Amino acid sequence: KQEVTQIPAALSVPEGENLVLNCSFTDSAIYNLQWFRQDPGKGLTSLLLIQSSQREQTSGRLNASLDKSSGRSTLYIAASQPGDSATYLCAVGSSSNTGKLIFGQGTTLQVKP
Amino acid sequence: EPEVTQTPSHQVTQMGQEVILRCVPISNHLYFYWYRQILGQKVEFLVSFYNNEISEKSEIFDDQFSVERPDGSNFTLKIRSTKLEDSAMYFCASFKELSSYNEQFFGPGTRLTVL
Repeated sequence: KQEVTQIPAALSVPEGENLVLNCSFTDSAIYNLQWFRQDPGKGLTSLLLIQSSQREQTSGRLNASLDKSSGRSTLYIAASQPGDSATYLCAVGSSSNTGKLIFGQGTTLQVKP
Repeated sequence: EPEVTQTPSHQVTQMGQEVILRCVPISNHLYFYWYRQILGQKVEFLVSFYNNEISEKSEIFDDQFSVERPDGSNFTLKIRSTKLEDSAMYFCASFKELSSYNEQFFGPGTRLTVL
């Protein structure tokens, strides 16, 4: 059974700092991995998707990497801003034929001005 | 840009009552999902739906739950007799096709409160 873990659970950094969020998964047979952002009480906004055959994806100040063999993904945020404060969720596309996502518990980021 | 919509945004109900949560997926998407997130916990998969039938369901999705795509645009989740522990945020998602380069799009969620 696929398990997804995110470390740390919470992170507080000063504005401008670069930071890395970690995601690990137990079954390497995935077909993709998505990173989401969730603001308090709100829905899920997709940030990046990495296919299982890819090593990384970039969007603006965000860079996500994937190492399937070790069951790890990282989300790198460059030059953090207070507006980046949110919970970041990692979700693994399972190897089933249904496309369901298995989520980690999230990392809550606070960027202080 | 196309988006997944959900109604209502917040539903309050009494324990034992039936509720129907509604979703309108993106129009050319073929795969539909319900997830839920109990306050402070992980987002959990409930059910996937393709070609007018359930393709997978989790252990949570017991006989109290059902899904339907009644008219080709709406996708509904029905909870027949709500329990206190059904209180959660329910997210609908849709997926164009089963491919590693396609991302799932999520709706804004319905917050269900069971009293």
